[in-house]
Amino acid sequence: EPEVTQTPSHQVTQMGQEVILRCVPISNHLYFYWYRQILGQKVEFLVSFYNNEISEKSEIFDDQFSVERPDGSNFTLKIRSTKLEDSAMYFCASKETIRTDEKLFFGSGTQLSVL
Amino acid sequence: AQKITQTQPGMFVQEKEAVTLDCTYDTSDQSYGLFWYKQPSSGEMIFLIYQGSYDEQNATEGRYSLNFQKARKSANLVISASQLGDSAMYFCAMTGPRDKLIFGTGTRLQVFP
Repeated sequence: EPEVTQTPSHQVTQMGQEVILRCVPISNHLYFYWYRQILGQKVEFLVSFYNNEISEKSEIFDDQFSVERPDGSNFTLKIRSTKLEDSAMYFCASKETIRTDEKLFFGSGTQLSVL
Repeated sequence: AQKITQTQPGMFVQEKEAVTLDCTYDTSDQSYGLFWYKQPSSGEMIFLIYQGSYDEQNATEGRYSLNFQKARKSANLVISASQLGDSAMYFCAMTGPRDKLIFGTGTRLQVFP
């Protein structure tokens, strides 16, 4: 089965530093998402992206966050100046269409630790 | 606003027995999708099963079945013949406004020999 690939699997950074989390969605998918999961808590929506622009973002996704699809394959999440509370597992996800009955394919996640 | 509720923080089941993980939802939409995902200790999110709001039959995928009761707004996951490898966190989720997925808080399932 095709996979969403995320790199790195773990990222440790100092507070205030910039991080870029990378994702390669499934090749024929058009809709891209970032979710995060703080340890022991539920998975939360951050942002959705379609046709090279943000479709929707949550209140978590403030000015410190940005997303980009720099080429035809990569989809990145940038945190400009990390805070301790940004420590979480970040999941990239993709799907082919906007249909509600289509499953979302998740990557295996990037565990971000902010020290 | 849409909401998913999973009231069981943890469940135990003996190997080879069946187990039901509860999920209730709240929405005013007529068209929506309900999903179950498994998250093992390694952290990845694994799709298990999907039920559409207009589907009249309960979804089944191998040992997984979804007990969909629309009037009660429940979408319980039934795992038959539990295996040790089923030990994981299980999340119920539904498609929300503009297609984002809204997750419940999860149920940790432990299968013992």
